Amino acid sequence: SQQGEEDPQALSIQEGENATMNCSYKTSINNLQWYRQNSGRGLVHLILIRSNEREKHSGRLRVTLDTSKKSSSLLITASRAADTASYFCATDPRPQGAQKLVFGQGTRLTINP
Amino acid sequence: DGGITQSPKYLFRKEGQNVTLSCEQNLNHDAMYWYRQDPGQGLRLIYYSQIVNDFQKGDIAEGYSVSREKKESFPLTVTSAQKNPTAFYLCASSIQVPNTEAFFGQGTRLTVV
Repeated sequence: SQQGEEDPQALSIQEGENATMNCSYKTSINNLQWYRQNSGRGLVHLILIRSNEREKHSGRLRVTLDTSKKSSSLLITASRAADTASYFCATDPRPQGAQKLVFGQGTRLTINP
Repeated sequence: DGGITQSPKYLFRKEGQNVTLSCEQNLNHDAMYWYRQDPGQGLRLIYYSQIVNDFQKGDIAEGYSVSREKKESFPLTVTSAQKNPTAFYLCASSIQVPNTEAFFGQGTRLTVV
C-alpha cells in the first residue's frame, strides 16, 4: 500500500527558481523522510523530520511537516540543473512497529537551464 | 568505503527461470529491505529483515523469496511464480532503531526475455 502521495507528479521550472513538492500520507507516523533519485540510480537520503518537528532545513532544502493535515512539503531554493531528479517522500508509519519505509509515487523535477 | 552493493546491474531472465539478485552491505546495519520500482512509479516493498535469520513479507511478496543467513547479505530470488518480474529492484539497509535513514544500492534492472 502506498502511504505517501506526492504532488505534483511532474514539475518543470527555470534554473534559479524555487521548487516546492508536497506529500500527503494516510496514517500516523514516527517520521517522514525525503529522498532523491537520479534516473536509473538508487535513492539518496535528503532529510528526515520527526513527528514532533514542524520545520527543518538542510542547505537549500526546507521541509515542513503538518501532522494535523498529514502532509509535508519540500522546498528547494535557488534550483540548479543538477537538481533534476525524482523526489520521494517516505513515511515510517505507526503502529506497524517494524521499521520499514513506505514510499510515495514521487515528483519528477526538471530544472531548465 | 562503507556502502551497499547490488549485483548485477543488469539481468536478463528467460520465462520460467528463477534468478537471484545479490545485495551486500558493510555498514553493520541490522535492517535490510528489497523494493521493486516500475517505470515512473514509486517503490513497493517486497521483503524486509530486521535481524539475521528473520524476515517479513512486504506488500508484494508473492513470487519472491529471500534469505538472511548473514548480517551483511540479503539476496532476493525472483521465482517463476512472479508473473511480471521485469522491473528495477532496489535493496536498502538501515540501523535497527526507529527514525533513521535508509541507504540504497544502485539497483538491478531485471528484464524477462
